Amino acid sequence: EVQLVESGGGLVQPGRSLRLSCAASGFTFDDYAMHWVRQAPGKGLEWVSGISWNSGSIDYADSVKGRFTISRDNAKNSLYLQMNSLRAEDTALYYCAKDHKGLEWSFAFDPWGQGTLVTVSS
Amino acid sequence: QSALTQPASVSGSPGQSITISCTGTSSDVGGYNYVSWYQQHPGKAPKLMIYEVSNRPSGVPDRFSGSKSGNAASLTISGLQAEDEADYYCSSYTSSTTVVFGGGTKLTVL
Repeated sequence: EVQLVESGGGLVQPGRSLRLSCAASGFTFDDYAMHWVRQAPGKGLEWVSGISWNSGSIDYADSVKGRFTISRDNAKNSLYLQMNSLRAEDTALYYCAKDHKGLEWSFAFDPWGQGTLVTVSS
Repeated sequence: QSALTQPASVSGSPGQSITISCTGTSSDVGGYNYVSWYQQHPGKAPKLMIYEVSNRPSGVPDRFSGSKSGNAASLTISGLQAEDEADYYCSSYTSSTTVVFGGGTKLTVL
């Protein structure tokens, strides 16, 4: 069974940093692109970032470009999101998601983890 | 990148069919066949229902179908069931090499 388990969320002050992790199991991690998607409380979904299977291709939403960095460690079956210069509007549940197709992008997210909550507030 | 446009809410009775629209531009929905649909029940993670416009992942009932015409995509659910009541989101790859979501549609089964 494919499992994605996020961790690292919490309460952080504006301007500070936080690193999210996603532990993957149940599939060949280095065969798939991976993504981060967030959902502010009571709001819709917002794609944050995606990374190809070999980290050769990385993209970010304009809202986080220059502040967030996505990375992966295929040896550890893990995905990361380094978040710097955090703002109140970054407050959200952050989901880790596997790209649906292997070795090529489908830009479809399947499955999703249960999310880790990031709250940015003083 | 502006969000894709979805109706805020739709409703239908059990057994009926409903369609949710998702309108974008030639830079996203109209330009690529990377349109996906997700179902999200309250307090749960989203679930992929349709990918690449009209493909169903394994395990998704064939009551769910997707299509696209020009800059608009649609999700149709036939034979509505009570458990279909949820929020539905569309998404599309964009010419900016990003992914954009719709604002979401709340489906009520009457």
